[in-house]
Amino acid sequence: DTEVTQTPKHLVMGMTNKKSLKCEQHMGHRAMYWYKQKAKKPPELMFVYSYEKLSINESVPSRFSPECPNSSLLNLHLHALQPEDSALYLCASSQDRDSANTGELFFGEGSRLTVL
Amino acid sequence: EDQVTQSPEALRLQEGESSSLNCSYTVSGLRGLFWYRQDPGKGPEFLFTLYSAGEEKEKERLKATLTKKESFLHITAPKPEDSATYLCAVQAPDYKLSFGAGTTVTVRA
Repeated sequence: DTEVTQTPKHLVMGMTNKKSLKCEQHMGHRAMYWYKQKAKKPPELMFVYSYEKLSINESVPSRFSPECPNSSLLNLHLHALQPEDSALYLCASSQDRDSANTGELFFGEGSRLTVL
Repeated sequence: EDQVTQSPEALRLQEGESSSLNCSYTVSGLRGLFWYRQDPGKGPEFLFTLYSAGEEKEKERLKATLTKKESFLHITAPKPEDSATYLCAVQAPDYKLSFGAGTTVTVRA
């Protein structure tokens, strides 16, 4: 099983809503990532979890709150978002964070978020 | 600051017309250079890892090469199913990945 599964595929929310994006992998990977991607732009790193602990937060606004309940699951909680937060949110995993193959990321299909 | 520049931004090819994509980079102490393929509305799919100058990797119609300052992705006799955006990423000594903006390849039958 070499899949990273993300739900939901599409999400529309108002600026006052609270919602969550979910990600799951069963490859035994110990590093999991959230990326944000705008149209025709490269993915931008948001958060990295290593062995279920947050190891990198790329100065992401507090309206985005990550959570790693266990080694297979990664959530991104959303609250009071702005229209400019509309983007494709990608979850990825790798064997671990600090090794030569860390750049070999397995991405999910993404969650397309629209903030009205 | 690490920089990754991909060219061209877009490439339109006739089926069977071979071509190359370029990824030039500036990073101190490159740990690895990675190529990904991304289809519209989907997440990137890992293709290759290159670690040192002179290294080459092949997969079907794709061949990636690496020098000290750039990498090339050669597409030989492309087919319409090779249409996608190709991203390269470099890994710095702190293991952080920096992605280029990508080259969007369109192959017409």
